[in-house]
Amino acid sequence: GNSVTQMEGPVTLSEEAFLTINCTYTATGYPSLFWYVQYPGEGLQLLLKATKADDKGSNKGFEATYRKETTSFHLEKGSVQVSDSAVYFCAPRVNQFYFGTGTSLTVIP
Amino acid sequence: EPEVTQTPSHQVTQMGQEVILRCVPISNHLYFYWYRQILGQKVEFLVSFYNNEISEKSEIFDDQFSVERPDGSNFTLKIRSTKLEDSAMYFCASSSQGTSGGWGTQYFGPGTRLLVL
Repeated sequence: GNSVTQMEGPVTLSEEAFLTINCTYTATGYPSLFWYVQYPGEGLQLLLKATKADDKGSNKGFEATYRKETTSFHLEKGSVQVSDSAVYFCAPRVNQFYFGTGTSLTVIP
Repeated sequence: EPEVTQTPSHQVTQMGQEVILRCVPISNHLYFYWYRQILGQKVEFLVSFYNNEISEKSEIFDDQFSVERPDGSNFTLKIRSTKLEDSAMYFCASSSQGTSGGWGTQYFGPGTRLLVL
């Protein structure tokens, strides 16, 4: 079946720290991979995506690389900001989305 | 930038009552979806809708649920007889046809928080 395992939170970092949120998935077929972000009080917003192996998705300083051999799509950012505080969801898509549980990130000044 | 909108933002209802959650997808999108997120849990797929038909639905989407596109702009989710466990945030999403030939990038609305008492 299809499923996703995401790093447990909450994660608290100081501003300018390096961020990694791990995500691994199982999927029947060849999924597209997405990261969505949910800021406080808002809906889900697409952060980045990758549709085939070795593709790197990037947006707002965040990056994730589609690793087919390890079935992973880890999210990274070199220097987080307070405004990055949100919940991050890894979501493989094979037709429908399969969301992870979300990782809450709090960045403190 | 076009966006998906949802109304109401919050709804409180009594157990057993019917509720209708409304969504206005992005205007040129053809595929519509409902998801829910029970507090503290993962976002779960409920149903997808295309060409006035349900394309796919999850186990959660039982006979108590129905979807409709009553006019050219709205997409609704109806829960016929709400239960306590229906309390959740409900997200609508829409997408245009993607290059993969089906489900393009989905754009989500801000959600409707439903509380069943």
